[in-house]
Amino acid sequence: DGGITQSPKYLFRKEGQNVTLSCEQNLNHDAMYWYRQDPGQGLRLIYYSQIVNDFQKGDIAEGYSVSREKKESFPLTVTSAQKNPTAFYLCASRSGFQPQHFGDGTRLSIL
Amino acid sequence: EDQVTQSPEALRLQEGESSSLNCSYTVSGLRGLFWYRQDPGKGPEFLFTLYSAGEEKEKERLKATLTKKESFLHITAPKPEDSATYLCAVQAPGGTSYGKLTFGQGTILTVHP
Repeated sequence: DGGITQSPKYLFRKEGQNVTLSCEQNLNHDAMYWYRQDPGQGLRLIYYSQIVNDFQKGDIAEGYSVSREKKESFPLTVTSAQKNPTAFYLCASRSGFQPQHFGDGTRLSIL
Repeated sequence: EDQVTQSPEALRLQEGESSSLNCSYTVSGLRGLFWYRQDPGKGPEFLFTLYSAGEEKEKERLKATLTKKESFLHITAPKPEDSATYLCAVQAPGGTSYGKLTFGQGTILTVHP
């Protein structure tokens, strides 16, 4: 079945450590997105990519980095510069004017 | 700046008790309004897209409507399995067809048997 796979489901970060969240899609979608979700808040856009080797900052990109070397993959790195990384991270993809499809998220916590 | 406000923040219903969720938006040139359902610990699941005022979409017990300033998600005779967080999002012209979405904070719906 086509879909978006995020891994791991749970992730723990130590102080000063960078961690990378994986997002893979087999929907052949061109655009991919990373969102952060905090309790009581809507999804906030971190980064998005329209094509391979190109990506743009969203509303809260500070402390995060991404790459888009393959159409299917859009990993997100949470760097040590992100001082409040505890959140639920969601990856999405989209083709043209179709709705965005989401993965099942990665929950990141601080040790 | 695009803004989306959902109300109420939480809604408790008895099974069979119909109600509506509200999504008010401010956007310059609406390209689409989206409703999603999100279960705990899961990603949002797409429900509807509305493009112009007066448009309506239905799916089982859910019906979404759109005006120039807000959208309603009507739930008719809800069941406990309808319990979830319902998210509203708008897309404004973003220069390309891959424009970003602005989300509301969601409405947590609980349906008691």
